[in-house]
This record gives sequence, C-alpha cells and structure tokens, in this order.
Amino acid sequence: DAGITQSPRHKVTETGTPVTLRCHQTENHRYMYWYRQDPGHGLRLIHYSYGVKDTDKGEVSDGYSVSRSKTEDFLLTLESATSSQTSVYFCAISDRGGTSYEQYFGPGTRLTVT
Amino acid sequence: AQTVTQSQPEMSVQEAETVTLSCTYDTSESDYYLFWYKQPPSRQMILVIRQEAYKQQNATENRFSVNFQKAAKSFSLKISDSQLGDAAMYFCGAVTSGTYKYIFGTGTRLKVLA
Repeated sequence: DAGITQSPRHKVTETGTPVTLRCHQTENHRYMYWYRQDPGHGLRLIHYSYGVKDTDKGEVSDGYSVSRSKTEDFLLTLESATSSQTSVYFCAISDRGGTSYEQYFGPGTRLTVT
Repeated sequence: AQTVTQSQPEMSVQEAETVTLSCTYDTSESDYYLFWYKQPPSRQMILVIRQEAYKQQNATENRFSVNFQKAAKSFSLKISDSQLGDAAMYFCGAVTSGTYKYIFGTGTRLKVLA
C-alpha cells in the first residue's frame, strides 16, 4: 500500500470554527489531491497540488484553502466550517509519470460540522 | 469538459454469478486513462483496474475485466464469479494525459447475495 496517512480520521466541530486536515505521504509523489465524498455525488475534487507551493482549484473549492510547504504534506483548511462541509475527505497522490496515472488514496477523514 | 457518468446507483448479483457495471465518459481528448476503484465498507479506495485509451486490448485483472468501447465512450467493468468480498461501492474515473484533474462518476453500489 502507498504510504498515505490522514489526520485526524474523525472530527466533529461547530459551525464557524476553523478546521485543518492533514495529508502526509512517504512516496515522494509530486501530485497531491483533496476530494470530498458525498452520497449521490461521488468524489469531487476540491484542490490539488503539482509541487511544493504549487496548488490549484478543483470543482468545489469555495470555502476551502490548501497549502503545501513540503513535498510530503498537503493541508486542507476550512476557514469557517459550515454544515454543508460535513463530508468524508480523501487525500490522494499520484506520480503521473511513465505509463501510470494511478492515484493512491488515503484512508479518509470523516468531518461532521454541527 | 470531461465528465464521467455511472447510471446504475445500485446493482445486485448472486454469489458466483457475473455482473457488469456501466460507465460512460465524455472527453474531446484522444489520450486519456480510465480507472475503476472499489470502496468497501472500510472506506479505503482500492484500484481495481485501469485502461489506457491508446490500447485497444481490454484490460483484465483476475476476475475483473473491462469492455472498453472508445468510439462509444463506454468503459464497463465485468466481475466474474462474484464473491461476497466484492460487495462495495465502485467508482469509475478518468484523467486526460497531460492534466492533473481526475474526474469520477457518482458510484455504483454492488450487493452480492449469498
């Protein structure tokens, strides 16, 4: 299994509070991604990174920000959590090299905003 | 824009039987990759099979195979000799070569009946 960890694995927070989710990889992959998974919507891309300090928005980026100061860490921040951000969040990595465009996923973080 | 559609929210199959999950996609690009991921109740996303668009031969991985119809933009997953452990949510995904953005369908929940 690819070395990807997410922390925390579960979190309950109140509306209006800031929340930061961490993704850590030991694979030295260049590309990192944050998705949210909701029933009926599948996986939707929030933000992604193509290198240290290089990030870009995905399809559902409103209300989220990211940072990547090291190759191995990709942080997702909800500046002021809302109930609509209750979801399961997945981090993924890929190397996008050679003949493989496979993504490897972390175990997910279940976030509940009350 | 690239889209992926899974029109079957839920499917059922008898143990030891064969089931086919449907996936269609839309892209104007000629070079892309297609994937099927499995998500069991543990929530972990597991790559089942991938297909490079430039390859005409359908990918196979043990009991899993795909029917890749490039002209029809169809990428179905066939599971032979279904096992109880195959019960999961299955996601179809795509990425265009040279881009960073992966797109996923909304998923098909597969139930395996003993």
